[in-house]
Amino acid sequence: DAKTTQPTSMDCAEGRAANLPCNHSTISGNEYVYWYRQIHSQGPQYIIHGLKNNETNEMASLIITEDRKSSTLILPHATLRDTAVYYCIAGSGTASKLTFGTGTRLQVTL
Amino acid sequence: KAGVTQTPRYLIKTRGQQVTLSCSPISGHRSVSWYQQTPGQGLQFLFEYFSETQRNKGNFPGRFSGRQFSNSRSEMNVSTLELGDSALYLCASSPEKYQETQYFGPGTRLLVL
Repeated sequence: DAKTTQPTSMDCAEGRAANLPCNHSTISGNEYVYWYRQIHSQGPQYIIHGLKNNETNEMASLIITEDRKSSTLILPHATLRDTAVYYCIAGSGTASKLTFGTGTRLQVTL
Repeated sequence: KAGVTQTPRYLIKTRGQQVTLSCSPISGHRSVSWYQQTPGQGLQFLFEYFSETQRNKGNFPGRFSGRQFSNSRSEMNVSTLELGDSALYLCASSPEKYQETQYFGPGTRLLVL
């Protein structure tokens, strides 16, 4: 499975867009990029996933570069409730390949 | 749809005891996975069940076991508890097609004294 690299922490002002980068330079052709987040003491929450094309849902947008070596998760209007650890995962197949790294701790401030 | 539910939410045990944790997946989900989360090791995969069969297993000792029932509900058991087993145990269920699109429960926080 492709290893992912994310910044340890980021800050974002409430109401602004939060752009969380992820590097997955060794991703293979059949591996998806998944994003999850974990709010303190809760279970991780699925956000979005994609293969090649950009994706958008009610929570976020996912921008994947053309060479698929990196991606960015965009929270368009961050709120205090978006403060969490965000995990970027590259994988395919079954849950055993779902490897959570250390993620990015996003702090949304007033 | 109701989310993944886990019981109990909190548990205190002593070393040497055993514990059973329960997970009810989202209705219609047949895949259930278990994870252990600790501050030092992060989120680690324990095992995955699909249609009552263990499909994958993480790198944990045999004291950790699980099973899945015909209604997709799952249990995990830890025997001969050690202090290091204190952790948040998370269960997740998946729709069949995208196995990594997992929906996690709130977890069971186990404290071993």
